Amino acid sequence: AQTVTQSQPEMSVQEAETVTLSCTYDTSESDYYLFWYKQPPSRQMILVIRQEAYKQQNATENRFSVNFQKAAKSFSLKISDSQLGDAAMYFCAYRSGQKLVFGQGTRLTINP
Amino acid sequence: DVKVTQSSRYLVKRTGEKVFLECVQDMDHENMFWYRQDPGLGLRLIYFSYDVKMKEKGDIPEGYSVSREKKERFSLILESASTNQTSMYLCASSDRNAYQPQHFGDGTRLSIL
Repeated sequence: AQTVTQSQPEMSVQEAETVTLSCTYDTSESDYYLFWYKQPPSRQMILVIRQEAYKQQNATENRFSVNFQKAAKSFSLKISDSQLGDAAMYFCAYRSGQKLVFGQGTRLTINP
Repeated sequence: DVKVTQSSRYLVKRTGEKVFLECVQDMDHENMFWYRQDPGLGLRLIYFSYDVKMKEKGDIPEGYSVSREKKERFSLILESASTNQTSMYLCASSDRNAYQPQHFGDGTRLSIL
């Protein structure tokens, strides 16, 4: 069974700085999809960024980018120019068939 | 925009009660999901449905059942609520394209006393 591990329960960063959230996963599949979701205090989970495993190029969405290392089964999220509104729980997820497998989450705090 | 609506944001029930959590989506998605979210455990899949009247067990189905009589609606049922079912419950929907994300509701914080 696929598993997803986020080894950092909590992270903090100064406003305007860059922070990287780590995620590793375990799978025997060669073609799959990876996602980062954000859950702010308002509770609704919002998609941040996604990556197709067969694409070598790392996905980027404005200030958010990923470092996808397929051989190492690593999928880290980099947030540049951190803003107060980035404070949230961040979940890494692996899509297995029609289902998502989630990591434990990382709580990100932004210090003004 | 996709809208996934959960019937309650907060719910308090008593041990032994039958509890219904309702979820409705407006994007004609084939797939619908119920998750349970607990601190340090992330989101765990309880049940999902890939079509009307179809359901499949997730990772933690014990003590729960589901119903999907219409495509837009997916209900989670706690047959006899217990205190260890106190948690945050999230509903999500998606279409079958693997690249498309799941869209989530606001969650229901359920307390069983």
